Amino acid sequence: GAGVSQSPSNKVTEKGKDVELRCDPISGHTALYWYRQSLGQGLEFLIYFQGNSAPDKSGLPSDRFSAERTGGSVSTLTIQRTQQEDSAVYLCASSSYLDEQYFGPGTRLTVT
Amino acid sequence: AQSVTQLGSHVSVSEGALVLLRCNYSSSVPPYLFWYVQYPNKGLQLLLKYTSAATLVKGINGFEAEFKKSETSFHLTKPSAHMSDAAEYFCAVRTGGGNKLTFGTGTQLKVEL
Repeated sequence: GAGVSQSPSNKVTEKGKDVELRCDPISGHTALYWYRQSLGQGLEFLIYFQGNSAPDKSGLPSDRFSAERTGGSVSTLTIQRTQQEDSAVYLCASSSYLDEQYFGPGTRLTVT
Repeated sequence: AQSVTQLGSHVSVSEGALVLLRCNYSSSVPPYLFWYVQYPNKGLQLLLKYTSAATLVKGINGFEAEFKKSETSFHLTKPSAHMSDAAEYFCAVRTGGGNKLTFGTGTQLKVEL
């Protein structure tokens, strides 16, 4: 079946602009996660959605970062007023409750 | 808080040689541990997971890992390396009350002829 998909695969933006990254999880998965992979910080957890529960936002690095999950399916990660340090690969994953996570191919964000 | 440490950011082995990638964990509760592999410009793929059922865990592509509580280790091994094993490998631990993962810093495996 279809895996986790992410779009766009690459995004180049100017410092100060807002960007939206999209994640389509595996159908039926109740949990969705965002991680960030950067040279300086490695792989970091950002945010976690589980069903209808309030999301775990404990990994968001600043209030410029936000995410929503509509209808328990697609998720959008928004970064406002992008900074150069936001340049990274943003990975999305989904899972059944407490089960193994399946990762998408990522979105490579470059802030110039 | 749970965490994992991967020793060696780069490991190089000859084709056909033993692969050993090290991971040590820190956890005050029985940990759920994972090994993921990442090929260039790809997402992460689960190799294997430890969920306290058995200490020796077998995964895909001939990899296995042994959970050793006395050593707080969960090292990844493969008896005979293949060129296609060249990739970056991440050890991870489930963190907190949910299912989020905390990753190690990764080990880049190089396989030479």
